[in-house]
Amino acid sequence: DPKIIQKPKYLVAVTGSEKILICEQYLGHNAMYWYRQSAKKPLEFMFSYSYQKLMDNQTASSRFQPQSSKKNHLDLQITALKPDDSATYFCASSQGTGIFAETLYFGSGTRLTVL
Amino acid sequence: AQKVTQTQTSISVVEKTTVTMDCVYETRDSSYFLFWYKQTASGEIVFLIRQDSYKKENATVGHYSLNFQKPKSSIGLIITATQIEDSAVYFCAMREAYQGGRALIFGTGTTVSVSP
Repeated sequence: DPKIIQKPKYLVAVTGSEKILICEQYLGHNAMYWYRQSAKKPLEFMFSYSYQKLMDNQTASSRFQPQSSKKNHLDLQITALKPDDSATYFCASSQGTGIFAETLYFGSGTRLTVL
Repeated sequence: AQKVTQTQTSISVVEKTTVTMDCVYETRDSSYFLFWYKQTASGEIVFLIRQDSYKKENATVGHYSLNFQKPKSSIGLIITATQIEDSAVYFCAMREAYQGGRALIFGTGTTVSVSP
């Protein structure tokens, strides 16, 4: 059974709309992350959360807002969608974010297409 | 700023042989962590192996091993006795211990094709 669940697997949206990408992890990890992968760029770090608190934000746009309602949840809300937002969004988790960097484990991704 | 570079875009090998792929990194940190991941055709990203900068011995897990050359800022991945299912995109990644936040920074990937 997958330990990091991302929903939905595929998502089609129209320009200007808003979508929420869901991520739940059942590894008992304390840190969660969002990454984006598009054809134009490699896996790109977006956010990291530890114990439901934002640790790092490498996303320039405020249209991307992570939401953590529980320790094992980290959803990603994207507003005012643009075609350039089309990508696969991966959620990941690690035991912690300590200096002896914990290994990241990834979900299966949500492929977002913005028309 | 940290940076990870994979110059080989694709490699083709015959099953049961050994494949080696390169990765060069840049960091100003004295301590850092290096990882290799595999992305399958289905898109799944799987952790393979890691090397901590303070460890002198090359890490080995199953038929994956690393060639860590710290003076050259290089971390190569070696896959021995390749199988068809090793066909995938392989990503090198790095995280700095003290600088650069907690982000794991990835290279652009090397596509490996294993043929019968």
